[in-house]
Formats: sequence, C-alpha cells, structure tokens
Amino acid sequence: EVQLVESGGGLVQPGRSLRLSCAGSGFNFDDYAMHWVRQAPGKGLEWVSGISWSSGSIAYADSVKGRFTISRDNARNSLYLQMNSLRVEDTALYYCAKSHDTPMPNVFDSWGQGTLVTVSS
Amino acid sequence: EIVLTQSPGTLSLSPGETATLSCRASQSVSSSFLGWYQQKPGQAPRLLIYGAIGRATGIPDRFSGSGSGTDFTLTISRLEPEDFAVYYCQQYGSSPLTFGGGTKVEIK
Repeated sequence: EVQLVESGGGLVQPGRSLRLSCAGSGFNFDDYAMHWVRQAPGKGLEWVSGISWSSGSIAYADSVKGRFTISRDNARNSLYLQMNSLRVEDTALYYCAKSHDTPMPNVFDSWGQGTLVTVSS
Repeated sequence: EIVLTQSPGTLSLSPGETATLSCRASQSVSSSFLGWYQQKPGQAPRLLIYGAIGRATGIPDRFSGSGSGTDFTLTISRLEPEDFAVYYCQQYGSSPLTFGGGTKVEIK
C-alpha cells in the first residue's frame, strides 16, 4: 500500500523559512515524479511544484517561483520543499502527491494527509 | 496558464440520480491530459479519472469521464450516499499544472 507522510508544518512569521518533508513507502519511490499541492483553508487545490524521478526536471507555480525549492532524496524515499520568504497567502495545508506515471506533468494517484503551514505575525 | 472553469458551483441531487459536472479550459488541453478528483471533508483528494476517460484503480464504473479540447465532463450515474463531495478537474498538458475551482455535489 502506498503511503505518503508529510511533516514540518507549523506556525511561522512572514518572511521566515520552513522546510517540509514527505516520506514515501509501499512503492518504488525513484520510479515516479513527485509533487506538492496546497489547499488554503476553505479553498480549492493549487499545484505548487513538481520534480521528476531523477530531479532532472523541476517546475514551480508562478506564485512560489524564486521562493520555494523542491528536492528529493531517492536513497531516503523522501521529498522536500524548502519555503523561504513566506507570505500570509502561503497559509495552507500542503499535500505531498505521487505522479500516476513516470512523466512529471501528470495526475496524482496517491496523496498524503497534508501538513499545515500557517504564516502569521 | 490554462484556466479551468467548473460548473455548476453546486449541484443538488438525490441518491440514485445522475450528476453531470463540467470543466471548461481557457485553451485546448494537450492530448486530453485532464483528470478528475473527489474530495470529502477532512480528507485528501482521490483520483477518479485520468486522460479524460480512464478510470483510476478501484473507481466504480458509475464514474465516467468524457470530452476533449476545451470541454470535459464527469458523469456520476446512480449517485450513492458516499458520492456527495467536492469534485475538481486538473489539466496536466502544460505547465503550470492547474485545477478548476471545484463543484460541490450535495444531497437535495
């Protein structure tokens, strides 16, 4: 059974940094692209960033480009999101999601339960 | 960026009825790279449909997807009590990946 477990969320002041982690199990982690998707309280889904299996292809939403950095460690079956210069509008539940297939642009067939990031002074 | 517009915002139906959800793209979605998700309160989204028409693993056949280009539809036949939820479409034909705003299917 595929499992994705996010961690690292919390309350942080505007302008500060936070690093999210996602531990994957139950599948060959290094065969799949991985993504971060967020959902602000009471709002819809927003794709944040994606990374190919080899880290050779990376993409970001315009709203986070230049502030967030996605990475992965296939030896540790882990996905990361380094979030710098956080803004109030980054407040959301952040989901780790697995690509349905090898290509990086894809649908997401497994999701974690999310980790909540709250940016507030 | 491809903008996805879902309609209606809310659909009020009774169990046993058929739900028809629309997702319209601001430009053509490459190779029908469109998916649909179901999300219930307090839960992560669940993939229902990929490639506009392919059912994900374990999804009942009362869920079906159709469409191409800029117009896509999710049809839920014979609504079951567990089908009342919010549904999102998502395109993955071009970057950035984008989601629609969602359609809530509620019990009438």
